[in-house]
Amino acid sequence: QKEVEQDPGPLSVPEGAIVSLNCTYSNSAFQYFMWYRQYSRKGPELLMYTYSSGNKEDGRFTAQVDKSSKYISLFIRDSQPSDSATYLCATPNTGFQKLVFGTGTRLLVSP
Amino acid sequence: DGGITQSPKYLFRKEGQNVTLSCEQNLNHDAMYWYRQDPGQGLRLIYYSQIVNDFQKGDIAEGYSVSREKKESFPLTVTSAQKNPTAFYLCASTREDRVDQPQHFGDGTRLSIL
Repeated sequence: QKEVEQDPGPLSVPEGAIVSLNCTYSNSAFQYFMWYRQYSRKGPELLMYTYSSGNKEDGRFTAQVDKSSKYISLFIRDSQPSDSATYLCATPNTGFQKLVFGTGTRLLVSP
Repeated sequence: DGGITQSPKYLFRKEGQNVTLSCEQNLNHDAMYWYRQDPGQGLRLIYYSQIVNDFQKGDIAEGYSVSREKKESFPLTVTSAQKNPTAFYLCASTREDRVDQPQHFGDGTRLSIL
């Protein structure tokens, strides 16, 4: 079983839709969770960073962590064509900053 | 503006050749990392350095080498021993090598075989 699993997509939605992107993880010791956005031919850009369970909101983006089910989500409200990118979830793997990444979900928002 | 600069953007390697990818940061970060990204596989850690003059192997270090002589610089050499080097290489840094410090990435170098 992979430490972090993510559906590769692509996920296609119309402009203005609410998008839900999800990851599951296997190690209950994971405490910090990140979402990165990666445009084609670019490096990942940190979007959201959360600790433990609960929600964190930043503009149109909400990150949610459910530690009981080892499930993390990123919600995008009022999605825009500029949100079209690959979204990667990541978590540090105990002890030091060895980030474990999901494979990424490709999102396509059509005008 | 502070950031991480990777060069070149595109690189081609001939058989038997070593090539070096550059990574420079002006964020005053102590820790730096090299990842390899392949389609459908996510990012995998090659090497990391927590401080100048020190570095450790990641999950896929075979066929790669690094140095960390200056805080700002963490070059990666892809040696001829790396038989499948075609990939997108990403450099990252963080203020300290701690789990509560998120990593920030450069824009990558795409390496291909001639």
